[in-house]
Amino acid sequence: KNQVEQSPQSLIILEGKNCTLQCNYTVSPFSNLRWYKQDTGRGPVSLTIMTFSENTKSNGRYTATLDADTKQSSLHITASQLSDSASYICVVSEGFSGGYNKLIFGAGTRLAVHP
Amino acid sequence: EAGVAQSPRYKIIEKRQSVAFWCNPISGHATLYWYQQILGQGPKLLIQFQNNGVVDDSQLPKDRFSAERLKGVDSTLKIQPAKLEDSAVYLCASATPGTSTDTQYFGPGTRLTVL
Repeated sequence: KNQVEQSPQSLIILEGKNCTLQCNYTVSPFSNLRWYKQDTGRGPVSLTIMTFSENTKSNGRYTATLDADTKQSSLHITASQLSDSASYICVVSEGFSGGYNKLIFGAGTRLAVHP
Repeated sequence: EAGVAQSPRYKIIEKRQSVAFWCNPISGHATLYWYQQILGQGPKLLIQFQNNGVVDDSQLPKDRFSAERLKGVDSTLKIQPAKLEDSAVYLCASATPGTSTDTQYFGPGTRLTVL
């Protein structure tokens, strides 16, 4: 069964600190992996998208890594800010590049940044 | 550029009543998605449209849920009759088709509470 599992379920850090969120998946065939940020009461917003051949991608203070061999991804947040408090959702696209892709969502990691 | 619009933002109904949600995607986006997000979980795809045709509705509870996208632009999602377990946030997203890495843009969602 195609699944996406994220850890930890929730995380509290102090402002200015770094943190890393984990994502393990069993989706096959694999097309791409995305990280989304979802603020409370709002829809998810895309942070990064990585295909099979990419092993790292950055978006400002967010850096995502992908190990397609072990089927693991991480999202590293540098110098956290209060505005980083949100849920971070890992999404894996099932399917073949160029065709219809079905997105499999993880449950998310809820991050709270405290002053 | 205007984002994905959804209405209403909140809805409270009693079980066995009917409810409808409306979504207006980003102009020019041919692909439209409806997701159900239960509290503490990631979004679950209910239905995907390509223009006004259905691409995937495998997880749509068709005995009570229905969706349409007339003229390939706006879309409505209906629940009739509602059950307690339908309480969730209903997210609409749109994307431009063409590549496997097309970004989905989400609306703010409609929070449904079934009493």
